[in-house]
Amino acid sequence: QVQLQESGPGLVKPSETLSLTCTVSGGSISSYYWSWIRQPPGEGLEWIGYIYYSGSANYNPSLKSRVTISVDTSKNQFSLKLSSVTAADTAVYYCARNMGIAVAGMDVWGQGTTVTVSS
Amino acid sequence: EIVLTQSPATLSLSPGERATLSCRASQSVSSYLAWYQQKAGQAPRLLIYDASNRATGIPARFSGSGSGTDFTLTISSLEPEDFAVYYCQQRSNWPTFGQGTKLKIK
Repeated sequence: QVQLQESGPGLVKPSETLSLTCTVSGGSISSYYWSWIRQPPGEGLEWIGYIYYSGSANYNPSLKSRVTISVDTSKNQFSLKLSSVTAADTAVYYCARNMGIAVAGMDVWGQGTTVTVSS
Repeated sequence: EIVLTQSPATLSLSPGERATLSCRASQSVSSYLAWYQQKAGQAPRLLIYDASNRATGIPARFSGSGSGTDFTLTISSLEPEDFAVYYCQQRSNWPTFGQGTKLKIK
């Protein structure tokens, strides 16, 4: 079955850019929307944005000025870049598959990767 | 932004009891609402999509209902593994999550 795996640095300095990649295995990245979600320590879930395999993306308005999500279909990967990070961006970052643009539900999730923003 | 408010924040029940969790939206989301279960140190797991459809592999004791602004997740008879945090999520405009309900053992 489809599996997702996040990868990237676990420590990022303030003001720098956080970069993460999600690798899709066991299936194709095509024909689905793919999301990034984060969860600060002890808090709830926040959707960051999603991308379609064609490259069309949509972002959380509260993060839109700092976020870029891209896709590489040849590698079956999609990526997150979050610029000008602060301690408030410290969180577990998850990638997930959206069941469909007209469906409410993310049915496959990565295990999550912890990113700490600190000097 | 559509705000989802979950109640109660914490629910204390015993195995075998029935659990009823609520999610209220600040404006109508039609049936575009999902429910997730999250255990400590794990990623969320999709339980219910589009308000009332069980995701693949989810036991029949989990059911979802509602439309518009008021939604309910019901666990008919609690199993020990059901004690966790539950989140609702809507997908109108852009996805947002509720703040979660912690289901704990009484």
